[in-house]
Amino acid sequence: QVQLQESGPGLVKPSETLSLTCTVSGGPVSSGSYYWSWLRQPPGKGLEWIGYIYYSGSTNYNPSLESRVTISLDTSKNRLSLDLNSVSAADTAVYYCARHPTGGRIRFDSWGQGTLVTVSS
Amino acid sequence: DIQMTQSPSSLSASVGDRVTITCRASQSISIYLNWYQQKPGKAPKLLIYSASSLQSGVPSRFSGSGSGTDFTLTLSSLQPEDFATYYCQQSYSSLPITFGQGTRLEIK
Repeated sequence: QVQLQESGPGLVKPSETLSLTCTVSGGPVSSGSYYWSWLRQPPGKGLEWIGYIYYSGSTNYNPSLESRVTISLDTSKNRLSLDLNSVSAADTAVYYCARHPTGGRIRFDSWGQGTLVTVSS
Repeated sequence: DIQMTQSPSSLSASVGDRVTITCRASQSISIYLNWYQQKPGKAPKLLIYSASSLQSGVPSRFSGSGSGTDFTLTLSSLQPEDFATYYCQQSYSSLPITFGQGTRLEIK
């Protein structure tokens, strides 16, 4: 059974870059059967999709974040990464990685436990 | 963006009750609507996809229906472990994927 685990700094200063990794176990990220996404949830609020990546390297980002986001895949370490630059307090959130099958429309069937990132000086 | 609106935002119910949560899309999304359950401090869990397909391992007391712009999630007989927040998500357009604001289901 696949497991996803997010990791990274819990505190980032305003204007700096937020960098997180998601380590996947129980299956290869290079599998053509899945896309790999990042999502976030500000404290007490709803869910926001950030973007996804496919094993081929193709990506799709939320237009509201596209200018600041980069998602990448490291197949040798079986993990995906998120970089979000020029952060502000509005980027404070629990960040999740999740996968969705390639068949059919996007549905997130496995999630990491999430990691809280606070943007503050 | 496709806006997703859930109603109610919160509701109180008792164990054994039948509960319905509604999700409305700002434009037609065919059947491309998913439902998730989220408990405090946990990641969301996929319950229903493509409006009415039950995700593997999810109890049959959960069901979904709808198409076009109006969708419902029904819990036929509430169990103690069902008290949580529920989110809908449209998968019709990936630019961007969007969620409803959530419905908090509380114990009466």
